[in-house]
Amino acid sequence: AQSVTQLGSHVSVSEGALVLLRCNYSSSVPPYLFWYVQYPNQGLQLLLKYTTGATLVKGINGFEAEFKKSETSFHLTKPSAHMSDAAEYFCAVSGRNNAGNMLTFGGGTRLMVKP
Amino acid sequence: EPEVTQTPSHQVTQMGQEVILRCVPISNHLYFYWYRQILGQKVEFLVSFYNNEISEKSEIFDDQFSVERPDGSNFTLKIRSTKLEDSAMYFCASIAVGGNTGELFFGEGSRLTVL
Repeated sequence: AQSVTQLGSHVSVSEGALVLLRCNYSSSVPPYLFWYVQYPNQGLQLLLKYTTGATLVKGINGFEAEFKKSETSFHLTKPSAHMSDAAEYFCAVSGRNNAGNMLTFGGGTRLMVKP
Repeated sequence: EPEVTQTPSHQVTQMGQEVILRCVPISNHLYFYWYRQILGQKVEFLVSFYNNEISEKSEIFDDQFSVERPDGSNFTLKIRSTKLEDSAMYFCASIAVGGNTGELFFGEGSRLTVL
């Protein structure tokens, strides 16, 4: 069984500031981890994913995330926020024995960027 | 760029009525999914579909729900007799292959409001 916890349902940063969105997971098997973004009135779009190999993964729009097994975390960061980053972000986990791609999502974090 | 399309974008229905939500997955994809998000809550897995049959379903996907691929392009979710608690955003997703390392492509969602 898997679960995902996103700390902070709302995060507000100033334009140009560091973005840090937290994600912790639990999984009984080695996980695959994902971050999705949802812009207003749009579907879920993959930002980045960790499957195997390098634990620091880079995604679109300057975002990156680091898989830390010891902390069961997969926090999302971006060095400098843009106004266009305002959206809802979802962390998700899938177990490696799950051939059906079933994702378990966190509750989401709404990122607000102030000018 | 290929995309998953969903109709309708918003449907309002009376409790007890049947609802059909439609999805056109990406044309060469083989695995199809429905997820839902009740307002303010997590995105939850409902069902996955492969080779013309359900491969996995969650506890939410009870006898009131059914899925069908009536032709080569559409993938539908039917709710037989809607309840107030069925009000949610329903997302369709698809992927070309199994193995849970790939990206699920999501549609923009269908918002269902049950009165």
